[in-house]
Amino acid sequence: EAEVAQSPRYKITEKSQAVAFWCDPISGHATLYWYRQILGQGPELLVQFQDESVVDDSQLPKDRFSAERLKGVDSTLKIQPAELGDSAMYLCASSLWGEEQFFGPGTRLTVL
Amino acid sequence: AQSVSQHNHHVILSEAASLELGCNYSYGGTVNLFWYVQYPGQHLQLLLKYFSGDPLVKGIKGFEAEFIKSKFSFNLRKPSVQWSDTAEYFCAVKGTGGFKTIFGAGTRLFVKA
Repeated sequence: EAEVAQSPRYKITEKSQAVAFWCDPISGHATLYWYRQILGQGPELLVQFQDESVVDDSQLPKDRFSAERLKGVDSTLKIQPAELGDSAMYLCASSLWGEEQFFGPGTRLTVL
Repeated sequence: AQSVSQHNHHVILSEAASLELGCNYSYGGTVNLFWYVQYPGQHLQLLLKYFSGDPLVKGIKGFEAEFIKSKFSFNLRKPSVQWSDTAEYFCAVKGTGGFKTIFGAGTRLFVKA
């Protein structure tokens, strides 16, 4: 069964360092999402791609976060510099037509 | 702005009890509605969805949800829960004219064997 792949699964870093997360969506899925989930809350959309284009990044802190999906397939989310408040689970999801989303296992980030 | 409210953050039930999890949303137009579930140690996955038509939708594992447009609600129900239903449940809303899906804060369900 096709799945969304994410790496790393866990990341511990010190504040002010740079971190990067990778996501490989289900083959053929044009829409890719990055979410941040803080403990006790639901996923919050950071950025949404349609193929290689960003369609929503209204909640992405653009002074420190960046995301790219250069060939419209896999994607990278970067944080530079990381802050203590960035500790969270970062989820990637993909969908075929923008409706039902398929989620990856997530990357748990801890910033010390 | 869109928002989703889930009334209960934690629910504890005994096996065979009936379940109803509340979900209300705020959005001025037509919506697509979802319930996602995350079992311990697993990914978020779709439980059921409503796009149009019959407001009573059935999902996997005996779950169903009813869309009541006048109440802006999409409550999740199951007549008899099992221990294996222990999980976190998220209601989500997407306006049909927009891109973004908004998730509620989630309800953690624990079913006692």
